[in-house]
Amino acid sequence: QKEVEQDPGPLSVPEGAIVSLNCTYSNSAFQYFMWYRQYSRKGPELLMYTYSSGNKEDGRFTAQVDKSSKYISLFIRDSQPSDSATYLCAMSARNQFYFGTGTSLTVIP
Amino acid sequence: EAEVAQSPRYKITEKSQAVAFWCDPISGHATLYWYRQILGQGPELLVQFQDESVVDDSQLPKDRFSAERLKGVDSTLKIQPAELGDSAMYLCASSLDGRGHTDTQYFGPGTRLTVL
Repeated sequence: QKEVEQDPGPLSVPEGAIVSLNCTYSNSAFQYFMWYRQYSRKGPELLMYTYSSGNKEDGRFTAQVDKSSKYISLFIRDSQPSDSATYLCAMSARNQFYFGTGTSLTVIP
Repeated sequence: EAEVAQSPRYKITEKSQAVAFWCDPISGHATLYWYRQILGQGPELLVQFQDESVVDDSQLPKDRFSAERLKGVDSTLKIQPAELGDSAMYLCASSLDGRGHTDTQYFGPGTRLTVL
């Protein structure tokens, strides 16, 4: 079993839709949870990170962590064509990082 | 805003040649990582440095790959000889402190390697 599981998609939504991206994990030692956005042929860009269970909001993005279920989510409200990218979840413990395989998202104008 | 710098951005080489990639982390970041990312997959850790010391190179193919961070600042990753299967994006990332503070990584733009 992989440390981090992420549905690869692809996911295609109309502009303005709410997008939900999810990851599950197996290691209860993970303390930091991150979401990265990666445009084609570019390096991953840190979008959000959280330390504990609960929600964290930044503009149109909300990161949610449920440690009891070992489940994290990223919600994108009012999705825009510029949100079309691959979204990677990542988790860390003791400065070791584990990545999901990424979910490819396309927002159709 | 401080960024992780990498060069070159693109590299095309022939099989059996040597290639080298350079990374300059965000100033003050003690931990530096080299990753390889194949299209459609997440980054795979190759080597992790804490200052100038290697703390994890368990996934580094040591027969052909080497990495160094001599002064604990910038780093070089080398492949010699390159093989067709090495074609991938090579990503460098850094984080502030490997001892439990602000466990968040920042990535550079990557070097896309094509081996012919």
